[in-house]
Amino acid sequence: GNSVTQMEGPVTLSEEAFLTINCTYTATGYPSLFWYVQYPGEGLQLLLKATKADDKGSNKGFEATYRKETTSFHLEKGSVQVSDSAVYFCALSDQMGGGSYIPTFGRGTSLIVHP
Amino acid sequence: GAGVSQSPSNKVTEKGKDVELRCDPISGHTALYWYRQSLGQGLEFLIYFQGNSAPDKSGLPSDRFSAERTGGSVSTLTIQRTQQEDSAVYLCASSSQGAKNSPLHFGNGTRLTVT
Repeated sequence: GNSVTQMEGPVTLSEEAFLTINCTYTATGYPSLFWYVQYPGEGLQLLLKATKADDKGSNKGFEATYRKETTSFHLEKGSVQVSDSAVYFCALSDQMGGGSYIPTFGRGTSLIVHP
Repeated sequence: GAGVSQSPSNKVTEKGKDVELRCDPISGHTALYWYRQSLGQGLEFLIYFQGNSAPDKSGLPSDRFSAERTGGSVSTLTIQRTQQEDSAVYLCASSSQGAKNSPLHFGNGTRLTVT
């Protein structure tokens, strides 16, 4: 079956530090990959996505590259801000047994950025 | 524009009671998903609706859980004879087509507490 594994949190950084949140996946087909972010008190929202191998998704200074050979989609940002403090979810979308596309999510990684 | 709306935002119920959770998806979105988020866990898929097709119920944890979607829009998730292990945040999401590349748009969730 499909699964997503992300690094355990919380990740605690100082402002302007470099961020990496690791994500690896297992899929039976050729999935699309997503990062979602959940800010405190808000719902999950799409951060970025990539739909084929070697694609790079980017948004708000965050980037992630679809690596088929290592089945990874690590999230990076060069300089984090306090406002980036949130929970980040890696997800894949692949066709399920019944033919529908139902996203599978990782457990989420909490990021705490200190001033 | 209006996003995905869920109600109530919080629900406290006694063990053994039935509860109904409501979701209003984004207008025009044909795909609707219910997930459950427990503390420290990822998002657990529950049920998926796509247009007028039969729903994918493969994620429902027991026959106490059911859901319907009326007129291809509003959805209600019903939990009968609630148990303490049902305590979680119930998330609803919709997407424009339910396709592999379509991102999900989430509501803020309903926090269910079973006492």
